[in-house]
Amino acid sequence: DARVTQTPRHKVTEMGQEVTMRCQPILGHNTVFWYRQTMMQGLELLAYFRNRAPLDDSGMPKDRFSAEMPDATLATLKIQPSEPRDSAVYFCASGPGQGKYEQYFGPGTRLTVT
Amino acid sequence: GDSVTQMEGPVTLSEEAFLTINCTYTATGYPSLFWYVQYPGEGLQLLLKATKADDKGSNKGFEATYRKETTSFHLEKGSVQVSDSAVYFCALSDMNSGYSTLTFGKGTMLLVSP
Repeated sequence: DARVTQTPRHKVTEMGQEVTMRCQPILGHNTVFWYRQTMMQGLELLAYFRNRAPLDDSGMPKDRFSAEMPDATLATLKIQPSEPRDSAVYFCASGPGQGKYEQYFGPGTRLTVT
Repeated sequence: GDSVTQMEGPVTLSEEAFLTINCTYTATGYPSLFWYVQYPGEGLQLLLKATKADDKGSNKGFEATYRKETTSFHLEKGSVQVSDSAVYFCALSDMNSGYSTLTFGKGTMLLVSP
């Protein structure tokens, strides 16, 4: 049963530290998405890729967030420096593309910045 | 732009009751429609989908019919179980971006008591 995997599942860090979250999309999927979920804002789309190329990252703060896909099996989301307001659950999702719009979500990384 | 409106929760039901969670949408073109479910501490899981008008998506006893004339995609289940307690998200494919993004509703929490 193919699944999206994310590491770490939980991360507690101090303000100002760098945080890196990793995602392995489902093999064969060509679109990858990063979301953030909080109680206040709900689910927000941060960035997405097709065939490893970034298509849109307008949903994330440019000065501190960056998203990359070094290869087809790895997507990363970095926050540097982290701030308490970044505390949230970060989800990665992948999709088959090619006219199919469903997305498959990973279990998420719960980030707490103190 | 495209949008999804879901009934506000929580929806509180007794076990074996009939469930309806309303979802209406505003969209240009002919989007695909989805229901996702999120259990506590987990990522969103694709529950069912419909890709064109009058299609019925179904899975695990849940059903939803793509009604273009009323721009609706209501989720139904004939007899809910305690294990169905979760947050349910309605979503549509964003045909405007040219890419494979989804627009989500705010989610409806379902609580089922024994």
